[in-house]
Amino acid sequence: SAVISQKPSRDICQRGTSLTIQCQVDSQVTMMFWYRQQPGQSLTLIATANQGSEATYESGFVIDKFPISRPNLTFSTLTVSNMSPEDSSIYLCSVGPSVTGNTIYFGEGSWLTVV
Amino acid sequence: QKEVEQNSGPLSVPEGAIASLNCTYSDRGSQSFFWYRQYSGKSPELIMSIYSNGDKEDGRFTAQLNKASQYVSLLIRDSQPSDSATYLCAVGSQGGSEKLVFGKGTKLTVNP
Repeated sequence: SAVISQKPSRDICQRGTSLTIQCQVDSQVTMMFWYRQQPGQSLTLIATANQGSEATYESGFVIDKFPISRPNLTFSTLTVSNMSPEDSSIYLCSVGPSVTGNTIYFGEGSWLTVV
Repeated sequence: QKEVEQNSGPLSVPEGAIASLNCTYSDRGSQSFFWYRQYSGKSPELIMSIYSNGDKEDGRFTAQLNKASQYVSLLIRDSQPSDSATYLCAVGSQGGSEKLVFGKGTKLTVNP
């Protein structure tokens, strides 16, 4: 399986600020995905990060709030902008079949608390 | 709206018993099915994937898929306290896309 590293692993953020989460994969992958897991909830896909093109956002998520970069085939960032307490979640980076066959693996997650 | 439904539990079983976790999905065209285990404070860990009807066994774990009934299950034999976690069912979009729709998870507790 791919090794997926995320930074920061945890952070406490002030309301109204923005935070960028980094995701690094140990091999080249075509598609990277960003998920959110709110407290006590399951995972929800935020967007698909494609190298060389704009990210594709799921319903309910917008680029202004969650801008994504994908500068190369091993790296992506997700920014959570103008944070509010409702953004307190785990943010998870995942990669798909280019490396792992037909399965999806997750990074360790970034645990954000907005105060 | 594609949906994946799981019994939220909690499901409690004694050590050594078989734990049975169930999942139904709404998108009849779904192609890939996954079970993830998530310990408290950790990210999800893939434990089983299944793509065709029938059973797939891996150690103490057996995944069962019935596409006609839109049903997937996970059996854990000889349950151990270390199996205590939340189990997430995830379904891949039609066409084998990597985008997954997750259920809300079933919390399993294995009692020593």
